[in-house]
Amino acid sequence: NAGVTQTPKFQVLKTGQSMTLQCAQDMNHEYMSWYRQDPGMGLRLIHYSVGAGITDQGEVPNGYNVSRSTTEDFPLRLLSAAPSQTSVYFCASSNSPGARGYTFGSGTRLTVV
Amino acid sequence: AQRVTQPEKLLSVFKGAPVELKCNYSYSGSPELFWYVQYSRQRLQLLLRHISRESIKGFTADLNKGETSFHLKKPFAQEEDSAMYYCALSATSGSRLTFGEGTQLTVNP
Repeated sequence: NAGVTQTPKFQVLKTGQSMTLQCAQDMNHEYMSWYRQDPGMGLRLIHYSVGAGITDQGEVPNGYNVSRSTTEDFPLRLLSAAPSQTSVYFCASSNSPGARGYTFGSGTRLTVV
Repeated sequence: AQRVTQPEKLLSVFKGAPVELKCNYSYSGSPELFWYVQYSRQRLQLLLRHISRESIKGFTADLNKGETSFHLKKPFAQEEDSAMYYCALSATSGSRLTFGEGTQLTVNP
């Protein structure tokens, strides 16, 4: 039981490049979320999903796309990377956020130069 | 809208001293509150949740609906408690978790 797995752990991108951050969970959780963590700003919700085929925007969705074709996977796509997207990205999953909170992955540290 | 505020970005105490990390929230419905801990450059871990009323690693938190607060307390801090602490809120049947800005706790020897 691996929990929530994120790849890659580190990535450096040039401005304008695109890439996909991968997230997979093996706990059969319906709910999945993507957060970015920036100093002094806590964790801010980018996108979330309440089940396969259903996604919605969080607080800071601009510049990011998501899809949820399976229960297990929830990739985050950066369409055209900008220096402002330099951050640590966390994926999380849950079967009952209100009661149990979320289980987090180990994060992806992204630098855009 | 739901909002979580942690007024202290940094908190420093000595080993053995009591510690209190403040968390205030605003939410029109009935919230579920959580505390998460993040040790240096690691993933966030759930420390405790209001709904279960449990005590983890000596930490407790009481939900005060009148003051809309969920402060985290420990009577005797240990050096291994040094970490970033996040307060978070969800609606009872919600799908989103809203985080505060975080408090970096340092416990000095």
